Amino acid sequence: GAGVSQSPSNKVTEKGKDVELRCDPISGHTALYWYRQSLGQGLEFLIYFQGNSAPDKSGLPSDRFSAERTGGSVSTLTIQRTQQEDSAVYLCASSSSRDSLYEQYFGPGTRLTVT
Amino acid sequence: AQKITQTQPGMFVQEKEAVTLDCTYDTSDQSYGLFWYKQPSSGEMIFLIYQGSYDEQNATEGRYSLNFQKARKSANLVISASQLGDSAMYFCAMREVTGAGSYQLTFGKGTKLSVIP
Repeated sequence: GAGVSQSPSNKVTEKGKDVELRCDPISGHTALYWYRQSLGQGLEFLIYFQGNSAPDKSGLPSDRFSAERTGGSVSTLTIQRTQQEDSAVYLCASSSSRDSLYEQYFGPGTRLTVT
Repeated sequence: AQKITQTQPGMFVQEKEAVTLDCTYDTSDQSYGLFWYKQPSSGEMIFLIYQGSYDEQNATEGRYSLNFQKARKSANLVISASQLGDSAMYFCAMREVTGAGSYQLTFGKGTKLSVIP
């Protein structure tokens, strides 16, 4: 079946502009995660959605970052007034609540470059 | 303090040989999970293996096995019979329950494995 998809695959934006990154999780997966991977680094947790519960936003680095998940499926990560340090690959992952103990399925990522 | 430590930034292994990638972790939780992911140059994160903190047996998945030493808080990945396609970044991660009650994966900085023909 279809895996996690993300769009766009690449985004170049000017400093100060807002960007929106999209994630389509695997159908039926109730848990959705956003991570950020800076060049040569491991993944940094940003935000977690589980079903209709309030999201866990504990990893968001600043109030310029926000995310929503509509209808328990598609999620959008928004970065306002982008800065050069926001340049990174943004990865989305999903898991079924039953399997959340075991495995998160990752999308291919969106490479964001802020010039 | 780092929660996941991978001390080997880069490793080389001869094709068909076995290799061990080190991972130590830090947690005060009794219930946690440990994961290894592979990230090829194409960028996708590929799940390899999982070990639960209460699992008594070391996890195995094909050529991958996890050497879990709970008292030492280590979860090393062993890849047997290395193949050229194993060349990639390898990340160790730990699942914890956050203060908000959600699951969160904390990743190490990774080890770059290069398999030599």
